[in-house]
Amino acid sequence: DGGITQSPKYLFRKEGQNVTLSCEQNLNHDAMYWYRQDPGQGLRLIYYSQIVNDFQKGDIAEGYSVSREKKESFPLTVTSAQKNPTAFYLCASSGAATNEKLFFGSGTQLSVL
Amino acid sequence: QKEVEQNSGPLSVPEGAIASLNCTYSDRVSQSFFWYRQYSGKSPELIMSIYSNGDKEDGRFTAQLNKASQYVSLLIRDSQPSDSATYLCAVGGLTGGGNKLTFGTGTQLKVEL
Repeated sequence: DGGITQSPKYLFRKEGQNVTLSCEQNLNHDAMYWYRQDPGQGLRLIYYSQIVNDFQKGDIAEGYSVSREKKESFPLTVTSAQKNPTAFYLCASSGAATNEKLFFGSGTQLSVL
Repeated sequence: QKEVEQNSGPLSVPEGAIASLNCTYSDRVSQSFFWYRQYSGKSPELIMSIYSNGDKEDGRFTAQLNKASQYVSLLIRDSQPSDSATYLCAVGGLTGGGNKLTFGTGTQLKVEL
């Protein structure tokens, strides 16, 4: 089945620890995105990538890092510099053209121990 | 500041009634408009997209776009309890935004028996 797979579903971070969230897609989409959602809030863009080996900061990139070494994969690292990491993280992908629809993975809930 | 605004609700409607959800946006050059449904703890699911002025119907859902007034709405006919969810409005094609989407904070819909 085509789709976007995020793992793990739940993740716990200790203080001072970096953690990496996985996102893989087999939709052959060029563009991939990471959004953060806090309770009762909308989605805020962290990073996005429109092509392999290239990515841009979104609205709230501080404390996060990404890589795009393969078209299918766009992992997000939440670094120790992100002081308030507890949130629901959503990965999405789309075609490369403007106005393309975004499709989302099932999300990762990150909590701080 | 590029903004997408929605009334957070909750919007309560009786089963079988029409639910009307509204969204306004600030960037006049926006080109694409989407409605996503999100159940608690789940990822957003695309239910409607609209790109030109007027109405677009898909089953019980109708999206309405008025670019002159900068608003987009979603009508849900014959509302069912299973429609109870948060509905996110998303706008794309913003100035300098490429194919990124900006999301509103969502409207919570409750369909009561």
